[in-house]
Amino acid sequence: QVQLQESGPGLVKPSETLSLTCTVSGGSISNNYWSWIRQPPGKGLEWIGYIYSSGKTNYNPSLRSRLSMSVDTSKSQFSLNLNSVTAADTAVYYCVRDRQYCSGSSCYRYFDYWGLGTVVTVSS
Amino acid sequence: ENVLTQSPGTLSLSPGERATLSCRASQSVSSNWLAWYQQKPGQAPRLLIYGASNRATGIPDRFSGSASGTDFTLSISRLEPEDFAVYYCEQYGGTPPTFGGGTKVEIK
Repeated sequence: QVQLQESGPGLVKPSETLSLTCTVSGGSISNNYWSWIRQPPGKGLEWIGYIYSSGKTNYNPSLRSRLSMSVDTSKSQFSLNLNSVTAADTAVYYCVRDRQYCSGSSCYRYFDYWGLGTVVTVSS
Repeated sequence: ENVLTQSPGTLSLSPGERATLSCRASQSVSSNWLAWYQQKPGQAPRLLIYGASNRATGIPDRFSGSASGTDFTLSISRLEPEDFAVYYCEQYGGTPPTFGGGTKVEIK
C-alpha cells in the first residue's frame, strides 16, 4: 500500500516561497507520476502539476510562472516550490500518485493514492 | 480548459435511498479519463471510480459509474451512513486536469 506524507512550513509570508516535500513509502517512486493538488478553505480541488520519476514536469498553466518541482529518487521524495505567494495560495496541499497507464488499447489517468494533506497559510 | 459542472450542488437523502450524481463536461473527454472521488470532512479525497465505470480497489459494489457523451453519472444504490460526503468528478483529458465543483450528499 503506497503511502504519502507531506511536510513543510504551515505559515508562509506574502511574496515569499512556499516549499513542500512529499515522502513516498510502501511502493517505489520510480516509473510513476506524482502530482500536487490543493484545496482552498471551503472550496474545490485544483491540480498544481506533476513530476515523473525521471524529472519530467507538467505544470498548470495558471501557476507555471511561479512553480517548480523536483524529485529525489534516492530519498523517495518529491518537492514543490511556489514563489511570490499571496493569500490566494492559502490551501490544503496534497501530494498524490498520478496514475497514468495503458492496458491493451485503453489508457487511463487518475489520482489513486493521496497524502493526508498539509495546511499552508499565507499571512504576514 | 475542460470545465466540469456537477449537479445538484446538494442532495438530501435518507439512508437506504438511491443517489444519482451528475457531471457534465464542457468539451469532449474520453470516458477512460473520467474519475470520481469521495471526500469526508477533514480527510483527503478517495478514489471511487476511474475510467468512468471501473471501481477502485476496495470500493463497494453499491457504487457505480456510467457515461453518455459528455455526461457522466455516479450512482450509489443504497446509501449507507458512511456515504454521506462530498463527491467530485475529475477529467484528465489534457493539461490541466480539472475537477467539478462537487456534490454534497447530506442526510435528510
